[in-house]
Amino acid sequence: DQQVKQNSPSLSVQEGRISILNCDYTNSMFDYFLWYKKYPAEGPTFLISISSIKDKNEDGRFTVFLNKSAKHLSLHIVPSQPGDSAVYFCAASSFGNEKLTFGTGTRLTIIP
Amino acid sequence: DVKVTQSSRYLVKRTGEKVFLECVQDMDHENMFWYRQDPGLGLRLIYFSYDVKMKEKGDIPEGYSVSREKKERFSLILESASTNQTSMYLCASSSRDRAGNEQFFGPGTRLTVL
Repeated sequence: DQQVKQNSPSLSVQEGRISILNCDYTNSMFDYFLWYKKYPAEGPTFLISISSIKDKNEDGRFTVFLNKSAKHLSLHIVPSQPGDSAVYFCAASSFGNEKLTFGTGTRLTIIP
Repeated sequence: DVKVTQSSRYLVKRTGEKVFLECVQDMDHENMFWYRQDPGLGLRLIYFSYDVKMKEKGDIPEGYSVSREKKERFSLILESASTNQTSMYLCASSSRDRAGNEQFFGPGTRLTVL
């Protein structure tokens, strides 16, 4: 049972435009959400997170939006740069649980 | 800077061999994790340890065991490697005190079982 879903395995975006990566979850107990970025042959690195008490969190070019009623979050990258080409994983956790549940990832390719 | 290191970046082993993957973190984190990453399947949790000598099975523990004798070190053991264990193995650690359970990852070990 996939509790965190990233339905787009891949996405291509022109350099300078906005990249939007989506993530859906089914477990209503999740109250904290994270995005990780992964380059080939490297470990994932933390990008940005959001608590369920917020609906938006911004950090430079990266913004995460959370829609609790729809159980949906999205990561916006604007403007997209060639260095943003990577696999992006969405992850979720619930209070008192030390573990993260990861989605299957979306491979983002920025076209110069 | 948090640092999680893994003993090997690339490993090639034969079917039936016993394989040890080592992970060390230098941030005094209580929690440590082993994942495998496969295309289209994302990161799947193999085992989790929340303290020295404590462990919990993750989603796919079959064929694996772990050892945590010291707080900074978490080992993954493949008792008898099989070809379906060819994968990227990722170790991570996190602090129990940190909100949101942000995990810090090592660089990964690409294991090939022939």
